[in-house]
Amino acid sequence: AQSVTQLDSHVSVSEGTPVLLRCNYSSSYSPSLFWYVQHPNKGLQLLLKYTSAATLVKGINGFEAEFKKSETSFHLTKPSAHMSDAAEYFCVVSEASGTYKYIFGTGTRLKVLA
Amino acid sequence: GAGVSQSPSNKVTEKGKDVELRCDPISGHTALYWYRQSLGQGLEFLIYFQGNSAPDKSGLPSDRFSAERTGGSVSTLTIQRTQQEDSAVYLCASSFPGIDEQYFGPGTRLTVT
Repeated sequence: AQSVTQLDSHVSVSEGTPVLLRCNYSSSYSPSLFWYVQHPNKGLQLLLKYTSAATLVKGINGFEAEFKKSETSFHLTKPSAHMSDAAEYFCVVSEASGTYKYIFGTGTRLKVLA
Repeated sequence: GAGVSQSPSNKVTEKGKDVELRCDPISGHTALYWYRQSLGQGLEFLIYFQGNSAPDKSGLPSDRFSAERTGGSVSTLTIQRTQQEDSAVYLCASSFPGIDEQYFGPGTRLTVT
């Protein structure tokens, strides 16, 4: 069975400093992995996805993530946080059995301090 | 283009009443998913449609929950005899067949009093 673990439920950073949101996955085969962002009272927006092409994936708003098979990790990073990055972030693995249903991590709430 | 739409955006209902939640997917997206986001359970899968068929209903929490899809487009999630633990945000997503990138609607916030 597939699963994802987000290692931090809350992360606080100062504006202009780097962001690191950690995600580990478990999968018996090569997974598709995603990061989604959810701003307060808004829907889920796709930040980026990994689907076995390049291991370093670039997404929107300056975010990127690196797929590391040896570490079963897919951490999300951004070089410089902006106030507008404050939101909840979800790491997701897609079940490749044919339904492609999503299995979500528990989320990381990012706080950006002025 | 138009995204996934859901209605109503908010629904308050009394315990024991039935509710219907609607999802209108992106045109051409034959795959449709329902998820539930609640404080205690996080984001969890409910049901998957391919066209009008639901080959995976494994996430429906009880037989009070049902869903249908007609014309390969609009889907309705029905909760009968609502309970307080049904209070959550119900999210709908759609995708092209065989593509694992899903597009989410804004959700319906259900409150059972």
